Amino acid sequence: DAGVIQSPRHEVTEMGQEVTLRCKPISGHNSLFWYRQTMMRGLELLIYFNNNVPIDDSGMPEDRFSAKMPNASFSTLKIQPSEPRDSAVYFCASSFGSPIGEQFFGPGTRLTVL
Amino acid sequence: KQEVTQIPAALSVPEGENLVLNCSFTDSAIYNLQWFRQDPGKGLTSLLLIQSSQREQTSGRLNASLDKSSGRSTLYIAASQPGDSATYLCAPGGNNRKLIWGLGTSLAVNP
Repeated sequence: DAGVIQSPRHEVTEMGQEVTLRCKPISGHNSLFWYRQTMMRGLELLIYFNNNVPIDDSGMPEDRFSAKMPNASFSTLKIQPSEPRDSAVYFCASSFGSPIGEQFFGPGTRLTVL
Repeated sequence: KQEVTQIPAALSVPEGENLVLNCSFTDSAIYNLQWFRQDPGKGLTSLLLIQSSQREQTSGRLNASLDKSSGRSTLYIAASQPGDSATYLCAPGGNNRKLIWGLGTSLAVNP
């Protein structure tokens, strides 16, 4: 398997623009996680899905953030409108079985909002 | 609310040393604990997963121990190599079915 795939790897945008991050989990995994990592706050869970259903979105910072998982092989994280404080590295991870079982991470998307 | 602390924040050692990374957590009601490695500009790689009923797990030169009652875990790296240079993060998994993350220990192993 190719592992968790994320695109784009880097995104530079201007404040107010819409940003869409994409993730393809490992085939057969039934849990998918979106994380954000910054120097100040470390790694934070934004939302996770189990069997394509959002289970916990309490980490989504505000209504500007939304996530979807239309099928078992694809998920998006959208920020609209983007702000400079959203600049961070966004990771997608997937796991099989328990949501707190072994998680496999993608390479991340480095987002810069100017 | 679970809080995770990793000490030291940064560590620099000569090649060949045995070293210990520490992780402490405030809520002992955990389901498991994982140790991850993160290389610069890359994602995280799972190293070891310890179930709450276990005391330790070993993989090659790595050994992770867990003392749930005292809220502590340690990652022991034997005979360190320059390729071990990375940031190491611990993440206890709670009964709320989420991992809570420390800020990590940045390790540099010098040849």
